[in-house]
Amino acid sequence: GENVEQHPSTLSVQEGDSAVIKCTYSDSASNYFPWYKQELGKRPQLIIDIRSNVGEKKDQRIAVTLNKTAKHFSLHITETQPEDSAVYFCAASKAGSARQLTFGSGTQLTVLP
Amino acid sequence: DADVTQTPRNRITKTGKRIMLECSQTKGHDRMYWYRQDPGLGLQLIYYSFDVKDINKGEISDGYSVSRQAQAKFSLSLESAIPNQTALYFCATSVGGKGRTDTQYFGPGTRLTVL
Repeated sequence: GENVEQHPSTLSVQEGDSAVIKCTYSDSASNYFPWYKQELGKRPQLIIDIRSNVGEKKDQRIAVTLNKTAKHFSLHITETQPEDSAVYFCAASKAGSARQLTFGSGTQLTVLP
Repeated sequence: DADVTQTPRNRITKTGKRIMLECSQTKGHDRMYWYRQDPGLGLQLIYYSFDVKDINKGEISDGYSVSRQAQAKFSLSLESAIPNQTALYFCATSVGGKGRTDTQYFGPGTRLTVL
């Protein structure tokens, strides 16, 4: 089955700096890669996703890049703000599997004021 | 998302007890999922359902069972709870079929403690 590894497990940045979280996946058939943000005590919420026919996708301060050859994808957050502090999860899935998501283990991002 | 609800939100039970966690949604989605979250392990899929008649095991289904009573309701049961089932449980929904978007919407979670 699919295996998703996520790094780092914790990340601290100064407010205004950029943050990068990286994930690798094992199944070359995976073609959908969402990122979820989970604030303390709350439910995971989708913040951005990318499909394998696209190399990069941006949404304001958030971007995701995908390298299919290397089987890795990354989340980039620019101009970080205290409200960006949360746990971020990457995930991967492939068509025909009810979109079973295999999640990474999460990254605790702390934005220091 | 307020359209996906879970009951109870917190539950403490004892080893060997049967317990049921319930999930309801008003989003009209046909696909529903149950996940377990443990610290440092992300979210692991327990069971998923395409529709009322289609239920499938996920990666960690042992010790769990589910029931899809209606399109809007998906229940998770622990027939005989054990301490290592202490975790945060999330229900999620998504749209299937031609309108499929793959986005999964999560409920608020149920914190289960098995003593």
